[in-house]
Parts: sequence; C-alpha cells; structure tokens
Amino acid sequence: SQKIEQNSEALNIQEGKTATLTCNYTNYSPAYLQWYRQDPGRGPVFLLLIRENEKEKRKERLKVTFDTTLKQSLFHITASQPADSATYLCALDTDSSASKIIFGSGTRLSIRP
Amino acid sequence: EPEVTQTPSHQVTQMGQEVILRCVPISNHLYFYWYRQILGQKVEFLVSFYNNEISEKSEIFDDQFSVERPDGSNFTLKIRSTKLEDSAMYFCASSLRSGKETQYFGPGTRLLVL
Repeated sequence: SQKIEQNSEALNIQEGKTATLTCNYTNYSPAYLQWYRQDPGRGPVFLLLIRENEKEKRKERLKVTFDTTLKQSLFHITASQPADSATYLCALDTDSSASKIIFGSGTRLSIRP
Repeated sequence: EPEVTQTPSHQVTQMGQEVILRCVPISNHLYFYWYRQILGQKVEFLVSFYNNEISEKSEIFDDQFSVERPDGSNFTLKIRSTKLEDSAMYFCASSLRSGKETQYFGPGTRLLVL
C-alpha cells in the first residue's frame, strides 16, 4: 500500500542547532515533493518544492534533499530559532493524478531557547 | 503578497443543515482545490477544479459535496446535509499552472457540526 511517513511526531531541539526532519514514502513515484509549515489552527504555508531530478534545494536557512532511490526527503533548518517551532508537513504528488497532493502526518518541531 | 482568503473563519451548524464555505483564490491562478483536516489528523484532498469543472475528487467527496465558481473570483464548497463527522478545518488552495505545481493554501474555515 502507499504510505508517507514522517520520522517522528515531535522533535525537540536547542536553539541554534540544526533540525533535521525525515519524510519517507513507499509505493509512490512522485515527480516532486514539497515541504509546508503549519501553525496551530492555520493553513499549510509552502516552504520548498524539490523535483525528482534535483538532489538538493536551499532557501535561506532551509535545505531539502530528495533521494528517489531511498524514497526519502530530508528537511533541514539550520541555526534554528524558537520562531521555527511549528508542524512541518511533507507532501508529494501522485503519479496517477493530475492535481492531487498527498500529505504526511507531520512532525511537530519545538525549538527551546 | 497575494493570498488565498476564506470566509467564514468559523462556522457552527446543526446536523442536517447546508453550509457553504467560501474562498477567494489568488487572482491569476487557474487551479483550485479543497482539502480538509480533522482535528489531529492529516490534511486530506477533497477535490480539484479547473476550467469550470471538477478535475479530480477523492472518495470523501461524495454526493453531499459540491463546488462552484459562481463568478470570476469566488470558489465555494457546499455541504448539502452536514453530518457530525464533517466537523473539520476546510482549506482552500490554488495554483498557477497545472495541478502539479505549488499549491497556496488559505487560512481555513473551522466547521463544527452539532
């Protein structure tokens, strides 16, 4: 069956450290993968999109990698700040669909001062 | 920066009543979507809409749901006869080009069915 799994429900790290979140998928062949941030009671906010032919993408303190052999994406936040505390969702397209994206259940990240 | 907007932010209704959730997608976007998120669960796809018709819908999007673009700016989700299990956050999203591009989400409408 098709699955998207994010490594842990919650991750708690010290301010200034690098946070690394994992997204694994099975029985999908996505053309791209996206990472979103979601704050409590709010809608997902787009962060980064990486395509299957890209290994790595960066935006300011954010870095995403995409390994289609391992079927895994890693999301890194360097020099983490308390304001980075949120739930981070990975989402991927489905090869059978023209428009649907499927979300993982998210990892709740807490950055302690 | 352009945003997707949704109204109302909260809606409380009695079981069996009809509700209409409204969205204004980003103005030059062509693809529109509805998703829902039951409290504590994943964001789930409901339906996508392009060129004034449904492109794709999930198994959740049964006959009690419908979508419409009544004018050039609004995009609505109607639930004809609400059930308790329809209680959730409903998110509208839009994308510029094909469905396989970044989707931008609105802030959501929290629907509570009593």
